[in-house]
Amino acid sequence: DAKTTQPNSMESNEEEPVHLPCNHSTISGTDYIHWYRQLPSQGPEYVIHGLTSNVNNRMASLAIAEDRKSSTLILHRATLRDAAVYYCILRTDSWGKLQFGAGTQVVVTP
Amino acid sequence: EPEVTQTPSHQVTQMGQEVILRCVPISNHLYFYWYRQILGQKVEFLVSFYNNEISEKSEIFDDQFSVERPDGSNFTLKIRSTKLEDSAMYFCASSGQYSNQPQHFGDGTRLSIL
Repeated sequence: DAKTTQPNSMESNEEEPVHLPCNHSTISGTDYIHWYRQLPSQGPEYVIHGLTSNVNNRMASLAIAEDRKSSTLILHRATLRDAAVYYCILRTDSWGKLQFGAGTQVVVTP
Repeated sequence: EPEVTQTPSHQVTQMGQEVILRCVPISNHLYFYWYRQILGQKVEFLVSFYNNEISEKSEIFDDQFSVERPDGSNFTLKIRSTKLEDSAMYFCASSGQYSNQPQHFGDGTRLSIL
């Protein structure tokens, strides 16, 4: 699976939006962009995924660049519960493994 | 909402002993996975399992490891002769039959080898 690059950490104030960038310049046409997060002492948790179009769900929005070489996960109003490591993962095989990188540690300040 | 459950939450074992980690995936899921996370490191893929056989395994998943779906609900990871370096969090995950469905993870078993 192609590689992704994310910042090591980001800080946000509670109730402010958080924009988490991910670069994936070697993405192929069939790679889906998946986001997971891992809260402290828990397993990874699915957040959102997309292929070409922007996607919204109850947790977040995913904005995908037109050339698909980057994407941004948007948490609309950060809460203390959103403090976690967020992983951007490219997935070629629809049922295959997830390859986790180091992710972005999000810190939310009251 | 259905969830993946793992037992035990913490397992302490002497080096060289066998250990079995248990998982109950979401009931209608067909694809099953084990991952591990050594303290302070990335989540690493171990093995995927579908239709009662291994679909893919990583180089970590050597002959000391095995997986089994002994009945319709459980999915187990066995480590035959544990080493100190097997100490980690082990996560089970499952996903449904449709393309690109998310993987649902349990909260893990912390394995401590003494």
